[in-house]
Amino acid sequence: KAGVTQTPRYLIKTRGQQVTLSCSPISGHRSVSWYQQTPGQGLQFLFEYFSETQRNKGNFPGRFSGRQFSNSRSEMNVSTLELGDSALYLCASSLQGALTDTQYFGPGTRLTVL
Amino acid sequence: QQQVKQSPQSLIVQKGGISIINCAYENTAFDYFPWYQQFPGKGPALLIAIRPDVSEKKEGRFTISFNKSAKQFSLHIMDSQPGDSATYFCAASRPYNTDKLIFGTGTRLQVFP
Repeated sequence: KAGVTQTPRYLIKTRGQQVTLSCSPISGHRSVSWYQQTPGQGLQFLFEYFSETQRNKGNFPGRFSGRQFSNSRSEMNVSTLELGDSALYLCASSLQGALTDTQYFGPGTRLTVL
Repeated sequence: QQQVKQSPQSLIVQKGGISIINCAYENTAFDYFPWYQQFPGKGPALLIAIRPDVSEKKEGRFTISFNKSAKQFSLHIMDSQPGDSATYFCAASRPYNTDKLIFGTGTRLQVFP
């Protein structure tokens, strides 16, 4: 079974631009979560989508948004990029997003904001 | 607010030795405690997880010890191997939470032959 895939793997943008990242979950998984990983803040939860609905949201500004499609694929968008948005963005999928469901992470998208 | 504190930040162990990573949490509502392993260029991968109704869980060379009263849990890697060299994250989650997994700050483990 194929794992979680994320595209693109690397992105370079400039301040003020916007960016869209894509995540394809494991087949059959309906929950997709997004995390931001930085050396300073570590791994921080952004949001979770289940059945095309945002079910949970972390403490990030409204510039960070996402959506999920009927095939469970998910995208996240960051508008008006800031230097501090440079990070590894990780997508994780799980069956239902239940407490003990294993979250399977993709390799991430490395975003650099210049 | 760091809800899950992890130590040490880095750890160097000789091959065959025991690696021990510790985590402490504050919120007693946490009900699920997984450990993740991350290699460079890869996303984190679940290693082992525990619920607070047991004090220890072992899977191969990896053991989680859980102390509910002290609100602490630790990962023990027995017979550490160079292939175990990676960054390890503890995490915690609670039912109906909005934060999904709350991660510790990570421990970079290096195992030397």
